Amino acid sequence: DTGVSQDPRHKITKRGQNVTFRCDPISEHNRLYWYRQTLGQGPEFLTYFQNEAQLEKSRLLSDRFSAERPKGSFSTLEIQRTEQGDSAMYLCASSLALDSGYTFGSGTRLTVV
Amino acid sequence: QQQVKQSPQSLIVQKGGISIINCAYENTAFDYFPWYQQFPGKGPALLIAIRPDVSEKKEGRFTISFNKSAKQFSLHIMDSQPGDSATYFCAATYSGGYQKVTFGTGTKLQVIP
Repeated sequence: DTGVSQDPRHKITKRGQNVTFRCDPISEHNRLYWYRQTLGQGPEFLTYFQNEAQLEKSRLLSDRFSAERPKGSFSTLEIQRTEQGDSAMYLCASSLALDSGYTFGSGTRLTVV
Repeated sequence: QQQVKQSPQSLIVQKGGISIINCAYENTAFDYFPWYQQFPGKGPALLIAIRPDVSEKKEGRFTISFNKSAKQFSLHIMDSQPGDSATYFCAATYSGGYQKVTFGTGTKLQVIP
């Protein structure tokens, strides 16, 4: 396994459309995180999965956002009715334990026009 | 509000010089402090991390200094190289939670030949 994979790398969508991103974590990692990063800022936590259970959601994650991790493997992040303010880099990370730190994917850059 | 404050926002250092990035945190429950390095178009990559029971950790040219009483920590890059040019994020988390990481705002480092 070469790392955390995210697809697509870039997505341009019109305001109001729905988009879905996929993350494939490192296979033995049971913890998966989604973060959002805007230009010039550090990543901001969105949500966390341990295996298939979504255990924490940030208040940044409005009801237009939903994330899933079926069977504790890959994860998807869907944004419904996209707004221009949703334009950002969406990062997925996985980990096995705290001391190993996170392994981030290269992210999906979303541009809402 | 859990915050990690980072400075400077940008830094220019000559090749061979020492790069120093400073961070401060508020939440005394934080007990794991990683530093991440991010190149353009890539996700952050774990560089080095420290726990508050030690005052310094060194890995190659990278050293974290930690001052628990002042709630401050810093990254020192010795013998800085042009390949070190990247954005650096300090971060903090606590073992008792879901290991949600709170990131600083980042320091863009440029090492000039």
